[in-house]
Amino acid sequence: QVQLVESGGGVVQPGGSLRLSCAASGFAFSSDGVQWVRQAPGKGLEWVAGVARDGSIHFYADSVKGRFTVSRDNSRNMLFLQMNSLRTDDTAVYFCARELRHDSWFFDSWGQGTLVTVSS
Amino acid sequence: EIVMTQSPATLSVSPGERATLSCRASQTVSSNLAWYQQKCGQAPRLLIYGASTRATGIPARFSGSGSGTEFTLTISSLQSEDFAVYYCQQYNDYPPITFGQGTRLDIK
Repeated sequence: QVQLVESGGGVVQPGGSLRLSCAASGFAFSSDGVQWVRQAPGKGLEWVAGVARDGSIHFYADSVKGRFTVSRDNSRNMLFLQMNSLRTDDTAVYFCARELRHDSWFFDSWGQGTLVTVSS
Repeated sequence: EIVMTQSPATLSVSPGERATLSCRASQTVSSNLAWYQQKCGQAPRLLIYGASTRATGIPARFSGSGSGTEFTLTISSLQSEDFAVYYCQQYNDYPPITFGQGTRLDIK
């Protein structure tokens, strides 16, 4: 069955960096779109970033553009999110999510999320 | 960026009754709309896509309707496990995809 497992969250000071990982299994990772969505505590869902199947094209929300970098390693079935210059409003649970169909941009499978807390 | 607005923010309904949740887009999204259910501490679960197609394993009591800018999620006879937060999401014009702010469905 499809499984997505995020890791790498934690507590970091403003201006710091973290790298999130998402390990995928149970589906043809290199053929499917997988993206990052976050949820601040007590708030709604916010799309963060996505990357083309071959890793050649990247998409970012304006709120993270220039600070976050999304990448994928199809040989290891992994999705990554490098987060730099973190701000307090980046505090959230970060989910990786698989698109139902390639390029559909809606999601039928989600990981359990990893919590990022940006605080001094 | 398309803004998605859900109403009401909170809906209180008794088990066995019907619940109707609304989602409005700031501009047309055609039928490119999805609905998700999220329970406390869990990841979202896809319920509906294409405005009206139930995702795999979703019970028939969940139905979606609408197109353009106005959409509805109906739960025909509420079960205890249906009390959760529901989000709509447009995927017609992206990036970015955008979500509504959510409707909390509470037990009356």
